[in-house]
Amino acid sequence: NAGVTQTPKFRILKIGQSMTLQCTQDMNHNYMYWYRQDPGMGLKLIYYSVGAGITDKGEVPNGYNVSRSTTEDFPLRLELAAPSQTSVYFCASTETGVQPQHFGDGTRLSIL
Amino acid sequence: KQEVTQIPAALSVPEGENLVLNCSFTDSAIYNLQWFRQDPGKGLTSLLLIQSSQREQTSGRLNASLDKSSGRSTLYIAASQPGDSATYLCAVVTGNQFYFGTGTSLTVIP
Repeated sequence: NAGVTQTPKFRILKIGQSMTLQCTQDMNHNYMYWYRQDPGMGLKLIYYSVGAGITDKGEVPNGYNVSRSTTEDFPLRLELAAPSQTSVYFCASTETGVQPQHFGDGTRLSIL
Repeated sequence: KQEVTQIPAALSVPEGENLVLNCSFTDSAIYNLQWFRQDPGKGLTSLLLIQSSQREQTSGRLNASLDKSSGRSTLYIAASQPGDSATYLCAVVTGNQFYFGTGTSLTVIP
């Protein structure tokens, strides 16, 4: 089973550039999440989705956008990259929203 | 707003020792609490999930307890092994959101 797949694994951006972090899951889960993890910190929720066409903001949504056109995919877009967005980004999914989350291996993003 | 705290931030123990990791949360209105393991450079792996109506869950050498009224959970690891070395995070589910602690970095010394 592939589970949750994130691409790319690593990326370096210049300030002001934009990019999309990809997340795909093959478990037919309705709920999907994007988190960021800064050094020595816990995970902070950026956006989440409870199904195709439905998204909502988490704790730290500023500077990010998401879409959910299919059950499988939940891309995260950074429009104007800023150094404060340097972080490790994790995508996760779960069947019912209160069941254990399945995580991808993360995207390590540096903005210089 | 839910705040989740984990103490200690780091722990180093000799192999074979039993140990306890702590997690506390400020809002007792939770659906469940989950414990995760994170290896360096990897995502999180779910270890145990305790529903809000439960007191504990066990999986192999791991036992997690929940005292919702006091806002506390513990993860007990029996007979620790070097392979247990990792960061352990707890998360509470409130509404549709997961709130994570900052984790405890565990090192088991052979």
